Amino acid sequence: AQTVTQSQPEMSVQEAETVTLSCTYDTSESDYYLFWYKQPPSRQMILVIRQEAYKQQNATENRFSVNFQKAAKSFSLKISDSQLGDAAMYFCAYRAAYTGTASKLTFGTGTRLQVTL
Amino acid sequence: DTAVSQTPKYLVTQMGNDKSIKCEQNLGHDTMYWYKQDSKKFLKIMFSYNNKELIINETVPNRFSPKSPDKAHLNLHINSLELGDSAVYFCASSQGTGELNEQYFGPGTRLTVT
Repeated sequence: AQTVTQSQPEMSVQEAETVTLSCTYDTSESDYYLFWYKQPPSRQMILVIRQEAYKQQNATENRFSVNFQKAAKSFSLKISDSQLGDAAMYFCAYRAAYTGTASKLTFGTGTRLQVTL
Repeated sequence: DTAVSQTPKYLVTQMGNDKSIKCEQNLGHDTMYWYKQDSKKFLKIMFSYNNKELIINETVPNRFSPKSPDKAHLNLHINSLELGDSAVYFCASSQGTGELNEQYFGPGTRLTVT
């Protein structure tokens, strides 16, 4: 079974600084997708960024980028120029690439990010 | 113009009661999901339907029964509610089950069982 581990329950960053959230996963599949979701206090789950395992190039979305190390099964999220609105729970998630029952997302336990002035 | 909506957003009820949570999506997606987020914020899949057919049924007590009357709706009925059922329940939808199909989440329903 696939597992996703986020070893940092809480992180703190100053406004305008850069922070990296860690995520490791375990799978025997060669093709899969990885995601970072943000959950602000409003509870809404918001997709931040996604990565296809077959792509070597790291995904980037504005201030958000990932460091995907397939061999190490590591998928960290870097937030640059942190803003107060980035404060939230961040969840790393895994999904196998094939269809059917594999469409479920397997989540890590989350990292609570605090942004300070 | 809400994409995935859930009703109610908050639900407080007593042990032993039966309750339902409704989910509707207007994205034209054919796959819908129910996830449970416990008090420690851990999110886990419960069920998934594709074109009204159940395709994922994780280890969930049979007091939980999903019902999909059509592709746009996936309701969750819970019988004989227990204290441990207190959680936030999220509905989600996606187009298809394969490839890089983003799952869109509803706002969640916070269920409190007293």
